[in-house]
Amino acid sequence: GAGVSQSPSNKVTEKGKDVELRCDPISGHTALYWYRQSLGQGLEFLIYFQGNSAPDKSGLPSDRFSAERTGGSVSTLTIQRTQQEDSAVYLCASSPSGISVDTQYFGPGTRLTVL
Amino acid sequence: QKEVEQDPGPLSVPEGAIVSLNCTYSNSAFQYFMWYRQYSRKGPELLMYTYSSGNKEDGRFTAQVDKSSKYISLFIRDSQPSDSATYLCAMSGITGGFKTIFGAGTRLFVKA
Repeated sequence: GAGVSQSPSNKVTEKGKDVELRCDPISGHTALYWYRQSLGQGLEFLIYFQGNSAPDKSGLPSDRFSAERTGGSVSTLTIQRTQQEDSAVYLCASSPSGISVDTQYFGPGTRLTVL
Repeated sequence: QKEVEQDPGPLSVPEGAIVSLNCTYSNSAFQYFMWYRQYSRKGPELLMYTYSSGNKEDGRFTAQVDKSSKYISLFIRDSQPSDSATYLCAMSGITGGFKTIFGAGTRLFVKA
């Protein structure tokens, strides 16, 4: 079956511009996660959606970052007024139920470069 | 101090070697320990998962957890060039709910 997909695969933008990153999770998965991966830094948790519950936004690094999940499926991560330090690979993952033992299935990521 | 420490490498070994990858952690509440493998330009994929202490074997891969030392390991026997990837340890606990904490990842190169 189809896995997690993300678009675009690469995004180059100028400092100060807004960007939108899209994630299509595996059908039927109730939990969706966004992570940021910088060189040598591992996966940094950003935000978590579980069903109809309020999202956990505790990992968002600043108020320039926001995310939404429409209809319990597709999610969009928006970065406003991008900065050079926002350059990273943004990974989305989904899991069947969101409990800590669930396997997270990752998409291929969006590589964001802010010039 | 990071909650999970992992040497980023790179680690380069000849084909057929036994590889040892390790992570240390500080939060004693972690109970679920995972290893993810990430190929270049791909997302991570779950390789192995262990609950609490002990060993788990799956083919050429063995995951080991020592909760008393807060130390986990992944051993790869008879390493192959196709094992060349970044290996990330990850862990979570009931008290942490959903939140999985990942290590920085170790880049492994297996030379033919």
